[in-house]
Amino acid sequence: AQSVAQPEDQVNVAEGNPLTVKCTYSVSGNPYLFWYVQYPNRGLQFLLKYITGDNLVKGSYGFEAEFNKSQTSFHLKKPSALVSDSALYFCAVRDRPGANNLFFGTGTRLTVIP
Amino acid sequence: EPEVTQTPSHQVTQMGQEVILRCVPISNHLYFYWYRQILGQKVEFLVSFYNNEISEKSEIFDDQFSVERPDGSNFTLKIRSTKLEDSAMYFCASRTGFGDTGELFFGEGSRLTVL
Repeated sequence: AQSVAQPEDQVNVAEGNPLTVKCTYSVSGNPYLFWYVQYPNRGLQFLLKYITGDNLVKGSYGFEAEFNKSQTSFHLKKPSALVSDSALYFCAVRDRPGANNLFFGTGTRLTVIP
Repeated sequence: EPEVTQTPSHQVTQMGQEVILRCVPISNHLYFYWYRQILGQKVEFLVSFYNNEISEKSEIFDDQFSVERPDGSNFTLKIRSTKLEDSAMYFCASRTGFGDTGELFFGEGSRLTVL
């Protein structure tokens, strides 16, 4: 079965420090992986995606994610966290080849402490 | 920048009433979706729509739910007889449809409260 797991419900990081939000996946074919961010009372905003090619994907707001096939991971990273990065982050995967919807993880709440 | 718009932003209804949530997807997009998010929980897929018909639906999308694209711009979700457990944030999304690698663009959501 296709799935994506976010092992941490909550991540706290001090402003200016690097942040990592973890995601692991399980798919039957080529993994198409996505990160979305949700600010309070807002919709989901696309941050970045991995389809093929370079394992390090750069996205919006200085975020990047590293695709690791051997560890089946797609962790979201940022070198220096901002207070404004505090939000709910969702990892998502195309749930099977040819499928057109996204299957979301349970989300990780990131809090950046001033 | 083009965006997905949803109305209403918040609707309160009595159990058993019909509710219609409206969405205007991005104009050149071909695939349309409804997702829901019960407060504090994960984002769950409900249904996808392409070429004027449902292309996929989840087990959540039972006979109480229906979708329609009544004209060239709107995409609606109807809940025929609401239940308390239908209370959630409902998100509409769309994507271009060129290949299956494209990201979904989401609206701001419609919060449904069933009393």
